[in-house]
Amino acid sequence: TQLLEQSPQFLSIQEGENLTVYCNSSSVFSSLQWYRQEPGEGPVLLVTVVTGGEVKKLKRLTFQFGDARKDSSLHITAAQPGDTGLYLCAGRTGGGNKLTFGTGTQLKVEL
Amino acid sequence: EAQVTQNPRYLITVTGKKLTVTCSQNMNHEYMSWYRQDPGLGLRQIYYSMNVEVTDKGDVPEGYKVSRKEKRNFPLILESPSPNQTSLYFCASSWGGVGNQPQHFGDGTRLSIL
Repeated sequence: TQLLEQSPQFLSIQEGENLTVYCNSSSVFSSLQWYRQEPGEGPVLLVTVVTGGEVKKLKRLTFQFGDARKDSSLHITAAQPGDTGLYLCAGRTGGGNKLTFGTGTQLKVEL
Repeated sequence: EAQVTQNPRYLITVTGKKLTVTCSQNMNHEYMSWYRQDPGLGLRQIYYSMNVEVTDKGDVPEGYKVSRKEKRNFPLILESPSPNQTSLYFCASSWGGVGNQPQHFGDGTRLSIL
């Protein structure tokens, strides 16, 4: 059972455009992380959010954790080709030690 | 250099031939885990380990075994591989439990079971 659904699954945009990726679940997460993965490599952590309503910024990337801690979004402003990659959200439920990953969003930013 | 090392990076084998994928980390992390990555499904956790001799099932453990005899090593064992285990596998490690600490991933092992 996939607990975390991401949308869109694929996104192809031009350099300079803005975009938002969504991560949704029916479960409550005690924390949520966003990773980016490039071809031939493992995912690399971008951010961790733990409080409902929390907003974190990382340069042109803005991450938000939903008030009910069931969803999250990643907004990229003025996308650049270097933002190209697979974006994955990952959540921890309750006090357990399982990490559940989302289905992924493949982003391609073209010149 | 802090890293998670997986071997082999690529393997093509046949149904039923036992294989082991090794994973080693040099960061003294307590937590280690294995994931498989399939198109459209993201990463799914196979097994995880909180420390030496402590392992537990993830979401897709069927057909896999693990062991944690040393803190730095966490091998993934496929006793009788089948074609549906063809996938890209990742090992990861972190301090303490998951969720608040970054998972450090290896570069992946691509397995093809014919």
